[in-house]
Amino acid sequence: TQTVSQSDAHVTVFEGDSVELRCNYSYGGSIYLSWYIQHHGRGLQFLLKYYSGNPVVQGVNGFKAEFSKSDSSFHLRKASVHWSDSAVYFCAVSLTGYQNFYFGKGTSLTVIP
Amino acid sequence: EAAVTQSPRSKVAVTGGKVTLSCHQTNNHDYMYWYRQDTGHGLRLIHYSYVADSTEKGDIPDGYKASRPSQENFSLILELASLSQTAVYFCASSDQGAAETLYFGSGTRLTVL
Repeated sequence: TQTVSQSDAHVTVFEGDSVELRCNYSYGGSIYLSWYIQHHGRGLQFLLKYYSGNPVVQGVNGFKAEFSKSDSSFHLRKASVHWSDSAVYFCAVSLTGYQNFYFGKGTSLTVIP
Repeated sequence: EAAVTQSPRSKVAVTGGKVTLSCHQTNNHDYMYWYRQDTGHGLRLIHYSYVADSTEKGDIPDGYKASRPSQENFSLILELASLSQTAVYFCASSDQGAAETLYFGSGTRLTVL
């Protein structure tokens, strides 16, 4: 079974802390890995994407993610979070030659001011 | 800026009734998607389309129909709404499918009673 797994349903940190949101996948072949953010009551918005090359991808608003083929992971990190980063974060996998995007269940990040 | 608009924002429907959710994009994108989001689940693909007058089944198409009368418009139709179809529905567009970024609408919250 091909899956996208986000092991933490909820993460709570204080403003200024660093945070890592975990994503593991089990797809083979050529894939695109993405992170999306969903603020309460809104649609998802793109953060960053990886396909090949430098395994560390810089995204918007200080977010970055690192691809690891050996661990089948694409974890999202931010060095110093702000209260406005509170949202649900989704990891997604899309396969070359196919048109679907497969999403994890999401991680709800709460940043305490 | 790319824009995907959905209507209505929310809807209450009766079991067995017909429901139509509409989506309009001004991105000039070829690909459009309908996803549903349930609490505790990621987004799951219902239908998608890569050209006007053609639609494709996604992972959970049962109970849903889709219509793409033009590049800009993509509708999701529930001919006989059921309780299990209560969810938030998101429309999205992308330029070239899996290789590209998804642009999401703000969602439609559907409640079937």
